[in-house]
Amino acid sequence: EVQLVESGGDLVQPGGSLRLSCAASGFTFSSYEMNWVRQPPGKGPEWVSYITSSGSIIYYADSVKGRFTISRDNARNSLYLQMNSLRAEDTAVYYCARDLKQGRGGDVFDIWGQGTMVTVSS
Amino acid sequence: QSALTQPASVSGSPGQSITISCTGTSSDVGGYNYVSWYQQHPGKAPKLMIYEVSNRPSGVSNRFSGSKSGNTASLTISGLQAEDEADYYCSSYTTISTLFGTGTKVTVL
Repeated sequence: EVQLVESGGDLVQPGGSLRLSCAASGFTFSSYEMNWVRQPPGKGPEWVSYITSSGSIIYYADSVKGRFTISRDNARNSLYLQMNSLRAEDTAVYYCARDLKQGRGGDVFDIWGQGTMVTVSS
Repeated sequence: QSALTQPASVSGSPGQSITISCTGTSSDVGGYNYVSWYQQHPGKAPKLMIYEVSNRPSGVSNRFSGSKSGNTASLTISGLQAEDEADYYCSSYTTISTLFGTGTKVTVL
């Protein structure tokens, strides 16, 4: 079964850091571009970051640029999101999502994980 | 970049057809045939229903169809069923990032 499982979400104070992980199974992870997409409570999804299959090309939404870092370990079938300088507006469910289409920088998300909740509050 | 505009809610009776609109600009919806639609049930992850305006992924019912005219894309659900009650989000490729819509709650009466 094709599956993505996120972990690492937590309650963190403003200015703090958190590292999210996403474990992939059931498909050849190293062949797919991957993304992080977040969804604040009661709101629509927001694309956060994209990484190519090799990790050589990375994009970020302006709202997280300079604070978040996406990475992957194809040997471990895992995707990561390092989040620093967290703000209240970063509070959301964070999903990892597989890209159906290659080469468009995070466009069609055909497989999603169950999500992990990040709450930024004092 | 602003979110794509969707109606907050759409409703219909079982068996009827409903259409959800998604309005953007020439920089997103109108500029590319790269519009997707996602269905989301409460507490669940979004599920891809349509991509590239009108393509259905394997396993998605043919009751779901997509189209586009100018800066507005549309999702039509025909033969509405109780299980179709959910939130629906459109998304569009742009050169900067993928934009999502504001979301539409579909209620089956």
